[in-house]
Amino acid sequence: SQQGEEDPQALSIQEGENATMNCSYKTSINNLQWYRQNSGRGLVHLILIRSNEREKHSGRLRVTLDTSKKSSSLLITASRAADTASYFCATALTSGSRLTFGEGTQLTVNP
Amino acid sequence: NAGVTQTPKFQVLKTGQSMTLQCAQDMNHNSMYWYRQDPGMGLRLIYYSASEGTTDKGEVPNGYNVSRLNKREFSLRLESAAPSQTSVYFCASSRGQDHPTDYGYTFGSGTRLTVV
Repeated sequence: SQQGEEDPQALSIQEGENATMNCSYKTSINNLQWYRQNSGRGLVHLILIRSNEREKHSGRLRVTLDTSKKSSSLLITASRAADTASYFCATALTSGSRLTFGEGTQLTVNP
Repeated sequence: NAGVTQTPKFQVLKTGQSMTLQCAQDMNHNSMYWYRQDPGMGLRLIYYSASEGTTDKGEVPNGYNVSRLNKREFSLRLESAAPSQTSVYFCASSRGQDHPTDYGYTFGSGTRLTVV
């Protein structure tokens, strides 16, 4: 079964609004990563947050991590039509050499 | 920098045919991966290679073989294609060797494979 599960599966907002996506996981992790996938393209790494970090920012992206609840959220502020994509969380277990991906959240930003 | 290059981009196979998906990276990364992406199932790891000369099975290795030809290239072979292998295949790389997941992965643009 997938280690990470995103919620919601789909999200539709207006340009300028904020978009929040959540990721829950089951076992202890070393870090959690977020990726973006535009339609028909490969995944692009957005941000990595380590298990000892609680919040991280990159431009309009804000990621939080709550290891006690085994959950993470990705906030995109002031969304743009170009943010329309699928967003995936991926977890790296405390021991191991591979990432496990969730099923993704499909974000649609309407102009 | 080209990053991770996958060929071909599209392929249609008949059941029972074989083919090799090619992947090459020019970032001097140590670890390379093959994933498949199916609707509603996210990305599932097929095989990975932590360094040149080593390969390991992932979550769904059955029906596939891999070769880490050198540090740059990691190929995926389907010996006898089945309709269940219809999917989008992604190659990825990471600069880490002992702890590759400490870094973000770089993905190729994918190979869309249909087996009829």
